[in-house]
Amino acid sequence: DAKTTQPPSMDCAEGRAANLPCNHSTISGNEYVYWYRQIHSQGPQYIIHGLKNNETNEMASLIITEDRKSSTLILPHATLRDTAVYYCIVRVANSGNTPLVFGKGTRLSVIA
Amino acid sequence: GAVVSQHPSRVICKSGTSVKIECRSLDFQATTMFWYRQFPKQSLMLMATSNEGSKATYEQGVEKDKFLINHASLTLSTLTVTSAHPEDSSFYICSARAVRAGGLTGELFFGEGSRLTVL
Repeated sequence: DAKTTQPPSMDCAEGRAANLPCNHSTISGNEYVYWYRQIHSQGPQYIIHGLKNNETNEMASLIITEDRKSSTLILPHATLRDTAVYYCIVRVANSGNTPLVFGKGTRLSVIA
Repeated sequence: GAVVSQHPSRVICKSGTSVKIECRSLDFQATTMFWYRQFPKQSLMLMATSNEGSKATYEQGVEKDKFLINHASLTLSTLTVTSAHPEDSSFYICSARAVRAGGLTGELFFGEGSRLTVL
């Protein structure tokens, strides 16, 4: 079973920041928080991951609370192409043969 | 870097026939590949773990004789759906774990998916 909890859906106006929350209250000390997204009829796309410090890349920012029990993925300027299902996954990084276990994710709809 | 390619992207077949789906890591080596299945409006469900040079490990409830997996090289894994039936119609996605890929080593990357429709 997935070890994260996400809202089933969210709307965001085009051009505004999309803030997607994720709860992972049982996260272990060596587990990272990963975010992937899946655009309709495509394979999942890696977005970002982090352990405890906030992370930023060209796609998004990841804010992890100090107690690491929750995190927020931020898309700073959402576009229509960001409409997708976003998955928050906790996993030990470089963890050998461990697959990603997907929960139900958050369906983000970016509205013009 | 870290491109995973699946072929075919779409396939339609008649009930009772077999279909092979290929998963290739184009610019890195992958000792481990994972196969997922996704039904409409549902999340990805892990079917099996494919290890190069050894037998695949199947998740509970997945028939190994129906879903044949071969991982003959460090860049190719195949999933064959044997004697396909309409209930096997689904979106099949592979994921590859990168090895010897510099900063990407150990991370997982996904193919574009293969949509199977069995008539």
